[in-house]
Amino acid sequence: NAGVTQTPKFRVLKTGQSMTLLCAQDMNHEYMYWYRQDPGMGLRLIHYSVGEGTTAKGEVPDGYNVSRLKKQNFLLGLESAAPSQTSVYFCASSYPTSGRPYNEQFFGPGTRLTVL
Amino acid sequence: GDSVTQMEGPVTLSEEAFLTINCTYTATGYPSLFWYVQYPGEGLQLLLKATKADDKGSNKGFEATYRKETTSFHLEKGSVQVSDSAVYFCALKLKDYGQNFVFGPGTRLSVLP
Repeated sequence: NAGVTQTPKFRVLKTGQSMTLLCAQDMNHEYMYWYRQDPGMGLRLIHYSVGEGTTAKGEVPDGYNVSRLKKQNFLLGLESAAPSQTSVYFCASSYPTSGRPYNEQFFGPGTRLTVL
Repeated sequence: GDSVTQMEGPVTLSEEAFLTINCTYTATGYPSLFWYVQYPGEGLQLLLKATKADDKGSNKGFEATYRKETTSFHLEKGSVQVSDSAVYFCALKLKDYGQNFVFGPGTRLSVLP
C-alpha cells in the first residue's frame, strides 16, 4: 500500500495563477482532509470530505475549492493564488468515526507551495 | 472553542536526556487525545493515542497519560536519541463531532549527539 500520496511535492506560482493539488489514498477511507501548515500555527483545516461527491468547509476555506469525484481522490484548487497562500499543504484520510472514536488520520508527505 | 496548547519550542537536548513536552487542552466534550510526530520533509505520523481518562499511550519509548482532572496529555521519553529530532504535535478529536481534529502548534525537538 502506498498510503496517502500527494502531487506535486513542490510548486512556485505567481500571484493570480491557478493550480490543483492532487491527493490519493489506497486504504479505502471514507473521509479525506486538506490542511495547511504555517510556522507557529500548527495545522489548520481547509476543507474536508465525508464521502464521494460530498465536501465541507473547514476552519480556513477562503480562496480554495475542493472536489471528491472519486472515493480515492481529493483535489484542492486555488483559482487565483495569493502570497498569503504560501504554505505547506497536507492531505489526510481516515475511517468514519462511528463506533471508533480513536480513529487516527493518515497523512501524505505534503506539498510546499510558494506564491510570489 | 476547542483548543490545544503546547509548550513553546524549540527544545534542545543532549542524547540520553529526559524529555517532557507539555500539552493541555480545552474541549466542550470528552475528546480522544493524540501525539503526532513530523520528521524533516515528511508528513505527520501517529506516535501514540489515548481515548479515555487515565489511559496511557506508548510507542517507541514515548509515553503520555490522559489526565482529565488537569486536562493534560504530556509527552515523555526517558532517554532521547538523535533520531527523535522532529516536530511533535498534540491533537484532540471529539467523539461526537465528526472527524475533525484540533492540532496544537507543534514543538520542535533537536537532540544533539
